This record gives sequence, structure tokens and C-alpha cells, in this order.
Amino acid sequence: GQQLNQSPQSMFIQEGEDVSMNCTSSSIFNTWLWYKQDPGEGPVLLIALYKAGELTSNGRLTAQFGITRKDSFLNISASIPSDVGIYFCAGQARGGGKLIFGQGTELSVKP
Amino acid sequence: AAGVIQSPRHLIKEKRETATLKCYPIPRHDTVYWYQQGPGQDPQFLISFYEKMQSDKGSIPDRFSAQQFSDYHSELNMSSLELGDSALYFCASSLNRGSSANTIYFGEGSWLTVV
Repeated sequence: GQQLNQSPQSMFIQEGEDVSMNCTSSSIFNTWLWYKQDPGEGPVLLIALYKAGELTSNGRLTAQFGITRKDSFLNISASIPSDVGIYFCAGQARGGGKLIFGQGTELSVKP
Repeated sequence: AAGVIQSPRHLIKEKRETATLKCYPIPRHDTVYWYQQGPGQDPQFLISFYEKMQSDKGSIPDRFSAQQFSDYHSELNMSSLELGDSALYFCASSLNRGSSANTIYFGEGSWLTVV
């Protein structure tokens, strides 16, 4: 079945540093989504990507949909303590289809 | 803006009991998804519905069933509960645009603890 490999699994950084995480897949997706999840809460949508090569920003967050449609990355610039949480990538093969999630990247930010 | 509403937020059940989780999608969304997330795990897809019909099925146990009603809300019924069913259950919704991209929004989740 489809699988997403997300890396790194965890990051421990200093406040103000930039962060980068990525996801790769063995198969093609039509949509890539990035979510942030706080403990015990639902995933909150950060960025949605719909076209290969698309580069989209949301404040300090930037994400790109890989040209091959098999990968995506998320960058966070100038991290702050409230960026702490687990970040998930998710791919969707078709409109209305299920999301396949990556394993998550746990981000810790030291003030 | 209205979000996906799930109830109850927390539920404690004994083994072999039955539990029902409810999900109210974002208004005008026609597709509902159910996910199960164990501790430290990524969400695992269970089942989805589009326009009240099952559209996809994932790793949903035979003891579980779900449906989407005429008002588009959905219910996940879980019977003969086992300790391993303890997890966070998410509902998500989207407006299905066919082959085009759609965006999926998640609810806050329902914590099920089986004791």
C-alpha cells in the first residue's frame, strides 16, 4: 500500500532557528497537506498544496509540492516556542480520497 | 468559521461494551472521514463516506460500523470493545470536487478509553 516516509522524526532546536522537514512517497499524490497536532487535539491544517512544483507560504511557514509529485517539504523560519508540536505530512491520491499520513516530526523549541 | 464537531470528547467504556461517536462536518461539506490514532502513532484511516454512501474503507475492524445520515452527520459504532480500541478517534470533512483537489479539515477528536 501507499506509504509516506517523514523525516526527521524529532527535532530539538533553539528559538529563532529555521526548521525543515520533508516527506517522500513511493507513489504519486495529487494533493499534499501539512498539519500540526498538539497533544490530545485534532490535526490543524497549515498548508495545502495542489499542483506539482507549487510553493506556498503561510506566515513563517513555506511548503513545496515536489515536481515528481512524490515528495514535499515544510520549512518554518525563525521558530518560536509556540511552534512546538507534532507536524504531519499527508498525501491524497485523488479528490475525495483518504489521506495517507507520514509518521510525524516532533518539534521542540528551546527559548 | 464553523469547524468539524465531534462528540463526545471523552468516553470511558468497559471491555465488550458498545460505543457510538458522532461527527458533524463543516456546513456544506459532503465527505466525512474517520481516523484512529493510537498513542505516539500517526492517524490511521478507517472509513469514509461521500453523499451518504461509503466511499473508501481502510483498517476498520469488523466490530465497527459507520454511516452518514441525510444531514451529512456521521456516526461510528464500535461493539465488543477491546482494550486495544483505546485511542483518539478523529472525524474529518471535505467538499469533494471530484478529481480536483479538496482540503480536509479535522475535528478535535474523541478520546475513547476501554477499561
